[in-house]
Amino acid sequence: DAGVTQSPTHLIKTRGQQVTLRCSPKSGHDTVSWYQQALGQGPQFIFQYYEEEERQRGNFPDRFSGHQFPNYSSELNVNALLLGDSALYLCASSFGDREDTFGSGTRLTVV
Amino acid sequence: GDSVTQMEGPVTLSEEAFLTINCTYTATGYPSLFWYVQYPGEGLQLLLKATKADDKGSNKGFEATYRKETTSFHLEKGSVQVSDSAVYFCAASGSGNTGKLIFGQGTTLQVKP
Repeated sequence: DAGVTQSPTHLIKTRGQQVTLRCSPKSGHDTVSWYQQALGQGPQFIFQYYEEEERQRGNFPDRFSGHQFPNYSSELNVNALLLGDSALYLCASSFGDREDTFGSGTRLTVV
Repeated sequence: GDSVTQMEGPVTLSEEAFLTINCTYTATGYPSLFWYVQYPGEGLQLLLKATKADDKGSNKGFEATYRKETTSFHLEKGSVQVSDSAVYFCAASGSGNTGKLIFGQGTTLQVKP
């Protein structure tokens, strides 16, 4: 049974560009959350999607947006990339009040 | 706002030593508490959890007890192994238990043979 899968694994972008990261939740999970983990820091909550709607959002600017598809997979989009957006982006999925299962993340480097 | 504070690392121990990593939280209400572990180049793995006061979570020899009176959830292991070397994160569920997790800054553990 595949867990949470994220793509791509690594990505290098230039300042000002836009990026899309993808996440497939664990089978049976319907809720997807995204986190940003800067180097040496704990993950920071970006937002959560449920039933194709953004249910909760953390303290991130509007440059960060997302989408959830009918098959529960999700995308994270970041516009106008800044050097400070360089981080590991983690996707987590869950069902009901069960705990999150995390993917291995996408390492984004902005140059 | 809600927050989680962990002891600073890195923590370096010899194999078979006793481990304690301190974690305290500030939250509205009674959050669920978690410890996650992150190995190099990987995502987070749930190590253990506790959902109410005085609950003890345990897994793979690690334990942590939810102490409401001290708002703490310290991680302990009686005898660490080299394979326990990783980064450990304490986390609390956000207000209203909506699924948002609030993480501490992480504590790096290095166990030497």
